[in-house]
Amino acid sequence: DQQVKQNSPSLSVQEGRISILNCDYTNSMFDYFLWYKKYPAEGPTFLISISSIKDKNEDGRFTVFLNKSAKHLSLHIVPSQPGDSAVYFCAAIVSGNTGKLIFGQGTTLQVKP
Amino acid sequence: EPEVTQTPSHQVTQMGQEVILRCVPISNHLYFYWYRQILGQKVEFLVSFYNNEISEKSEIFDDQFSVERPDGSNFTLKIRSTKLEDSAMYFCASSERDTEETQYFGPGTRLLVL
Repeated sequence: DQQVKQNSPSLSVQEGRISILNCDYTNSMFDYFLWYKKYPAEGPTFLISISSIKDKNEDGRFTVFLNKSAKHLSLHIVPSQPGDSAVYFCAAIVSGNTGKLIFGQGTTLQVKP
Repeated sequence: EPEVTQTPSHQVTQMGQEVILRCVPISNHLYFYWYRQILGQKVEFLVSFYNNEISEKSEIFDDQFSVERPDGSNFTLKIRSTKLEDSAMYFCASSERDTEETQYFGPGTRLLVL
């Protein structure tokens, strides 16, 4: 089941630069999207979300963009900091469902000092 | 800030044994979930729970699995007869609403079945 895909398993950026993490989905019924950050041996930590009625949501250094026609969303982190180094998961909720989150495979971000 | 807690953090068990994983969701949340992550794989939905009954379960959640909210604070996942392939990180999550609402995750229980 590949309804949510993160095609880049890893990304490395320099501190202070922009990190762009991408996510694609196939199910047009998804109406809410979330990004989670995960450190090893910890649970996913919520970062930012976006409803399908919007195309952008911003929270501090984090911005999520949604392109419904392309079924694509991205997370921008700017400026990137070494503490941002973690695995980032994109997740989606199916409209009318019971809140079941469907996760992508994750992208490991490394921010180099 | 309120958070979801889980116990134990680690559990080692023999194949065929029963395990109970415990979770305390955020106090004003009404919707509860279990997910798991096998090493190197994506986080997978197991079950959602609301109003003392299962709302949805995945095909992973077979008859060996059960969930319960035994009191006003705890939410448990029981695996009756563990198999080697049940070894994974199990995450509990909770949310105020079932759609368009953020799910907050606990730190997880690492289950190892020998």
